[in-house]
Amino acid sequence: QKEVEQNSGPLSVPEGAIASLNCTYSDRGSQSFFWYRQYSGKSPELIMFIYSNGDKEDGRFTAQLNKASQYVSLLIRDSQPSDSATYLCAFGSSNTGKLIFGQGTTLQVKP
Amino acid sequence: EAGVAQSPRYKIIEKRQSVAFWCNPISGHATLYWYQQILGQGPKLLIQFQNNGVVDDSQLPKDRFSAERLKGVDSTLKIQPAKLEDSAVYLCASSADPYYGYTFGSGTRLTVV
Repeated sequence: QKEVEQNSGPLSVPEGAIASLNCTYSDRGSQSFFWYRQYSGKSPELIMFIYSNGDKEDGRFTAQLNKASQYVSLLIRDSQPSDSATYLCAFGSSNTGKLIFGQGTTLQVKP
Repeated sequence: EAGVAQSPRYKIIEKRQSVAFWCNPISGHATLYWYQQILGQGPKLLIQFQNNGVVDDSQLPKDRFSAERLKGVDSTLKIQPAKLEDSAVYLCASSADPYYGYTFGSGTRLTVV
């Protein structure tokens, strides 16, 4: 079993729609969960973090965490072409605090 | 706040040659990481430093890769000798507290031919 599993995509949505990105993780002891965005040829940038079960909203982004199901998701409302990128899910190891990343989901927002 | 600085941005070498990458973390960040990102994959941790000490190097291929962090600030990652499969982007990141995530540098794209 992979430590972090994401659908590699590509996920294609029309402009203005809601994009839903999903991730499952294996470390039941992890306390911190992150979403990074990576544009082609660029380094990852942190867009959301969540520590508690439930939803966390920041502008057009909502992160959802369900520790019992070991599942975290990212919703992007009113998707824009500029949101087209690879979205990396990561969790903090309960042992060392290092971030363990999934392979990423490529999102394409079509005008 | 200045970001994480890395150099060089690009490097092309022949297999069996050696190469070194440099990273200067955000000022005051005690934790420094080197990640390897192969095209189409997520970043994979190579080594984690806390100040001068190594916290985790379990995925560092120690027969060819080495890393050091001098005086708890700058870090260098070396590959000797390089293999074709080492072609990747090498990302340096730093953090004041990993619980809150960390900031990546712009990366070094290595091509081994």
